[in-house]
Amino acid sequence: QQQVKQSPQSLIVQKGGIPIINCAYENTAFDYFPWYQQFPGKGPALLIAIRPDVSEKKEGRFTISFNKSAKQFSLHIMDSQPGDSATYFCAARKGSNYKLTFGKGTLLTVNP
Amino acid sequence: EAQVTQNPRYLITVTGKKLTVTCSQNMNHEYMSWYRQDPGLGLRQIYYSMNVEVTDKGDVPEGYKVSRKEKRNFPLILESPSPNQTSLYFCASSLQGLDTQYFGPGTRLTVL
Repeated sequence: QQQVKQSPQSLIVQKGGIPIINCAYENTAFDYFPWYQQFPGKGPALLIAIRPDVSEKKEGRFTISFNKSAKQFSLHIMDSQPGDSATYFCAARKGSNYKLTFGKGTLLTVNP
Repeated sequence: EAQVTQNPRYLITVTGKKLTVTCSQNMNHEYMSWYRQDPGLGLRQIYYSMNVEVTDKGDVPEGYKVSRKEKRNFPLILESPSPNQTSLYFCASSLQGLDTQYFGPGTRLTVL
């Protein structure tokens, strides 16, 4: 059972575009939703995270939108740059359970 | 520099030959974890450790062993590797289980 479903698998945008990556979850006990960014040959690194008591969180050009009733959250990248080309993973965690459950990842390509 | 290190970074081995992938962190983190990353499957947790001598299974523990005798080290042991364990492995650590996880650079393992 896939607890966190991520889409699309891959995404190509032009520089300046606004790629949107979506994730959906089933378990209403999840209460922490991070996004990780991974460049080729590197380990994932935390990009931004949100808790369900807020509907939106922005850090620089990266924004998480969270819809608790729909059990969905998404990552928006404003004014995307070629340097944003990477694989992005959403994840979820519940309460005091330390385990992170990851989505399958989205390969983003930003063309110059 | 605060970091998670893994060795080796690349390993090609044969079926049944025991191997160990080392993981070390210099941040005095309590929580450490191993993941494997496979195309189309994202990141899946193998084992995790909440502190010295405390370990537990993740989602895909079969065929793997771990130990946590020291706070800084969390080796992953494959007693009898098989080709289906060919994967990219990541070690991660966090100050405590609910904090941001920092990932190592990865170990690419091929089992022939």
